[in-house]
Amino acid sequence: QQKVQQSPESLIVPEGGMASLNCTSSDRNVDYFWWYRQHSGKSPKMLMSIFSNGEKEEGRFTVHLNKASLHTSLHIRDSQPSDSALYLCAARTGGSNAKLTFGKGTKLSVKS
Amino acid sequence: EAAVTQSPRNKVTVTGGNVTLSCRQTNSHNYMYWYRQDTGHGLRLIHYSYGAGNLQIGDVPDGYKATRTTQEDFFLLLELASPSQTSLYFCASSDWGGASYEQYFGPGTRLTVL
Repeated sequence: QQKVQQSPESLIVPEGGMASLNCTSSDRNVDYFWWYRQHSGKSPKMLMSIFSNGEKEEGRFTVHLNKASLHTSLHIRDSQPSDSALYLCAARTGGSNAKLTFGKGTKLSVKS
Repeated sequence: EAAVTQSPRNKVTVTGGNVTLSCRQTNSHNYMYWYRQDTGHGLRLIHYSYGAGNLQIGDVPDGYKATRTTQEDFFLLLELASPSQTSLYFCASSDWGGASYEQYFGPGTRLTVL
């Protein structure tokens, strides 16, 4: 059973539109979440991290975290064709363990 | 920017063959990781290490060995390769004491087992 579930599996948005991606963990011991972005043929690169309840904004990207429901979401406003990529959510089980569990990802396509 | 390199970038072997994938990071990070990435499964952790001589078991360790010889170098060994190990392999490193705990990924090694 996948401990980190992402939805939707794929998403198509028009250029300039809003993209919303979701991620939920089934492990009650998860404490930290990350979002990574992987362009086609490239390696994953961290986009944003969120460790506390609430919202964090960086430019066109906003992440939300609800620790009670172990749910995080990533929102991309004014989507650009260069945002087309695989978006991976990662979660860490609490404690000193440095191991992350990744979801299967959401494939985002931004159409001009 | 953290630098993680992997070699070889592409490898083709036959069933039962021996394969060693190499990873080097030059940022003095304490943690290093080996993942495999397959369509439909996402990124899955094989093994990881928090320093030279240390090895921690990941989520999909069967059929893989790993060794961390120095702070910089982490190797993944497939001693009897099978077609099910055909995959894209990524190495990553992180400074777990850092502010964001970011993992930095290498460019990947595409392995094909015939």
